[in-house]
Parts: sequence; C-alpha cells; structure tokens
Amino acid sequence: EIVLTQSPGTLSLSPGDRATLSCRASQSVSSRYLAWYQQKPGQAPRLLIYGASARATGIPDRFSGSGSGTDFTLTISRLAPEDFAVYYCQQYGSTPRTFGQGTKVEIK
Amino acid sequence: EVQLVESGGGLVQPGRSLRLSCAASGFAFDDYAMHWVRQAPGKGLEWVSGISWNSDRIVYADSVKGRFTISRDNAKNSLYLHMNSLRAEDTAVYYCAKDNGRFHLEYCQHWGQGTLVTVSS
Repeated sequence: EIVLTQSPGTLSLSPGDRATLSCRASQSVSSRYLAWYQQKPGQAPRLLIYGASARATGIPDRFSGSGSGTDFTLTISRLAPEDFAVYYCQQYGSTPRTFGQGTKVEIK
Repeated sequence: EVQLVESGGGLVQPGRSLRLSCAASGFAFDDYAMHWVRQAPGKGLEWVSGISWNSDRIVYADSVKGRFTISRDNAKNSLYLHMNSLRAEDTAVYYCAKDNGRFHLEYCQHWGQGTLVTVSS
C-alpha cells in the first residue's frame, strides 16, 4: 500500500501567515489522485482539495494544492482564525486508499 | 443538502460483533459509491472500506479484511458495516462518507458526524 508521510507534524503560525504543508508518498500517486481534508476538534473532516489542485465547492481561494508523483503541497496563503485545524492528505490512485498522519496548524 | 447519519455504535466486548448503519438523504444514494473511515481516539484518519453504487466493487483495508463486511441497500438509502471478531484496536469513531462518483472509490466528498465504537471487556 502507499504510505503518505505528512510534514511537519505541527505548524505554529499566526493569523495572516502563509502555511505550507507537505505530503510525500512512498510510491507515485497515479493521475494526481490526491485529496486534502481539514478537521477541527469534535467535527467530521471536510474536503478541501481533490485531484491534487482542484478546490471543493465552497472552499476559499486562499487554499491551494499542488504537486504530482510523490510530492504534494497544501498552501494556505493567509491564515484566517478558522483555519487552525488538522489537515490530512489522502491518495485514491491505489488500493487500499490511505491517509497521511496529519499536520496540525496551531496558533503561535 | 447531503445528510449522512451513522448509528449502531456502542460498547462491545472483544470478539463480539456489531453492525453500523448510515442513513443517507439529500442526494441520489444509488448514484454514488460510499466509504467507511475510522478515527481512533486522539489519532488520525484510517480508511476502512468502500463500496460502489451497485456493490460490484468492494475494497477493504488489510486491517479489517476478513472481519468486516460492507454492504448497502439502495432501496433504503442505507450503508452498513458488519464488524465481527472485534478487537481493542477497532475502538474508534466510524464515519460514513459519500464518494464523488459511482464506481472507482475515490475521495470522500461529504461526511457524517460519526458513531463511536468502543471495544473493551
């Protein structure tokens, strides 16, 4: 199975900062089949990005995804107070589907 | 509005069985693949299983293969997860999620709020 490794584990930033989250795959993810999710405490995850770079419905344009092959990035251009959360990547190009272990974006 | 409501969680002893249900509304249930994803307390997300719109394609994570069975009843707009031989490490919140398409088991476009399963003696 494809193992996804996210880094850093925790990102300490201030509102207005730029956040760069990494997701590295143990094998190439075919056709850029990679998604990103946001999860806040006590809530279900929410889809942010699919196809490595397409924003889901209703997602602000400060969120962007990029990458291909084994290296993918989620960028939040200017952190809003509601963006402090845990972010997960997920690959769906290979079976079984797998998630990364998550990156927590916390207020500095 | 898409709604997914899980039920059936609770406290169960190791080795016993449990069946989770997910009631779907607000979309054409029989047009979409569905998933189960779990999250152990304080841990990350783990994909458990997926099923295509017509049940022709079913996939499991290695950690549950042979113990869990996913199924769906399109007439009842419902998704199920039959869990047998439960272990302590199956303790988690179990989420039902709607796929973006019919067959290929891709990403989770919408999520329910989850149901907690605790396996303990």
